[in-house]
Amino acid sequence: TQLLEQSPQFLSIQEGENLTVYCNSSSVFSSLQWYRQEPGEGPVLLVTVVTGGEVKKLKRLTFQFGDARKDSSLHITAAQPGDTGLYLCAGELIQGAQKLVFGQGTRLTINP
Amino acid sequence: ETGVTQTPRHLVMGMTNKKSLKCEQHLGHNAMYWYKQSAKKPLELMFVYSLEERVENNSVPSRFSPECPNSSHLFLHLHTLQPEDSALYLCASSQDRRLASYNEQFFGPGTRLTVL
Repeated sequence: TQLLEQSPQFLSIQEGENLTVYCNSSSVFSSLQWYRQEPGEGPVLLVTVVTGGEVKKLKRLTFQFGDARKDSSLHITAAQPGDTGLYLCAGELIQGAQKLVFGQGTRLTINP
Repeated sequence: ETGVTQTPRHLVMGMTNKKSLKCEQHLGHNAMYWYKQSAKKPLELMFVYSLEERVENNSVPSRFSPECPNSSHLFLHLHTLQPEDSALYLCASSQDRRLASYNEQFFGPGTRLTVL
């Protein structure tokens, strides 16, 4: 069993539609991060959420950390082809030094 | 361009070969990481170096041998690998090992390894 479960694993939608990706766990995290990875590149950090219930916005992307700090969601409004990529969530376990555990990713395709 | 470079970008090797992956960071960071990304598993942390000292080894088989000669360079030496070791190997760096909420990890583009 994986520590962080992402859903859906694959999502293909039309340009202009809205979507939500989920990242769930039974563990509590000190913070949770979302990354986007494009083919041939490493993951790039989009956002870090730290406080339970926190909401952060990055243009058309809205990130939320669950109140209990066990889950998170990424909502994209009016998706564009440039949003295509692999979206990864990563949780930092509550311990002394940085250690990230990753979800298996959501592969998002936005069709023109 | 994240400031972390990896060479080679692609590598094909036989099970009896010995090869090395190289990572270089130009960010002045003190912590470096090796991750494995395979098709059917989440990104897995393999090794962590802090100030050139290995501080974490996540039960990685001995056929993977890391080396950190200085804070800017990280190597992963490979020998007698198995086909199931085929994956994308990613290097990352961060300023230090403080919590990720204060301390972003920057990833290189990865080396796509195929073991025949």
